[in-house]
Amino acid sequence: DIQMTQSPSSLSASVGDRVTITCRASQSIASYLNWYQQKPGKAPNLLIYGASSLQSGVPSRFSGSGSGTVFTLTISSLQPEDFATYYCQQSYRTRWTFGQGTKVEIK
Amino acid sequence: EVQLVDSGGGLVQPGRSLRLSCVASGFTFDDYAMHWVRQAPGKGLEWVSSISWNSGTIDYADSVKARFTISRDNAKSSLFLQMNGLRTEDTALYYCVRDNGQGIRHIDYWGQGTLVTVSS
Repeated sequence: DIQMTQSPSSLSASVGDRVTITCRASQSIASYLNWYQQKPGKAPNLLIYGASSLQSGVPSRFSGSGSGTVFTLTISSLQPEDFATYYCQQSYRTRWTFGQGTKVEIK
Repeated sequence: EVQLVDSGGGLVQPGRSLRLSCVASGFTFDDYAMHWVRQAPGKGLEWVSSISWNSGTIDYADSVKARFTISRDNAKSSLFLQMNGLRTEDTALYYCVRDNGQGIRHIDYWGQGTLVTVSS
């Protein structure tokens, strides 16, 4: 199975900060990479699909980039509602796998 | 409006069985592949199993293979997960999710989850 590794596992940031989360795949997955946001007690919500395509309704401060084995999720100016846990997920193989998550906390 | 309603979770002893259900509405169910994804308490997301629109392609995570069986009833817009030989490590919130099915596949809708607790 393809292993997905996120870094960091957690980070503290302030409102207005630029935040970057990295996701690495154990083998090339082209652009078959998606990002989800999960808030406590809620199901995850799709942010980015295909490494860089913004899901409809998601604010433009979220962006994704990368291909092959290294991907990034960037929040250009962190807002109070963005404090959550973020997961990457590959769909290159039929056995989907998720990263372990990155928790974004208030500094 | 797309809705996925998960049910069937509960407290069960190790080694016993449980059957989860998911009823879909607001879309043509048999146009989409479906998956189960789980999340252990305080932990991350784990893909469990997938089934194609016509049940022709099915796959499982190694952690559940030979113990869990995914199935669907398109006439009833329903997805199932039969879980046998449950272990304490199967304790999790189980989500039924829809596979968008086009281009770069991803999860576009999630159920609310149903909690499975395996404990003696």
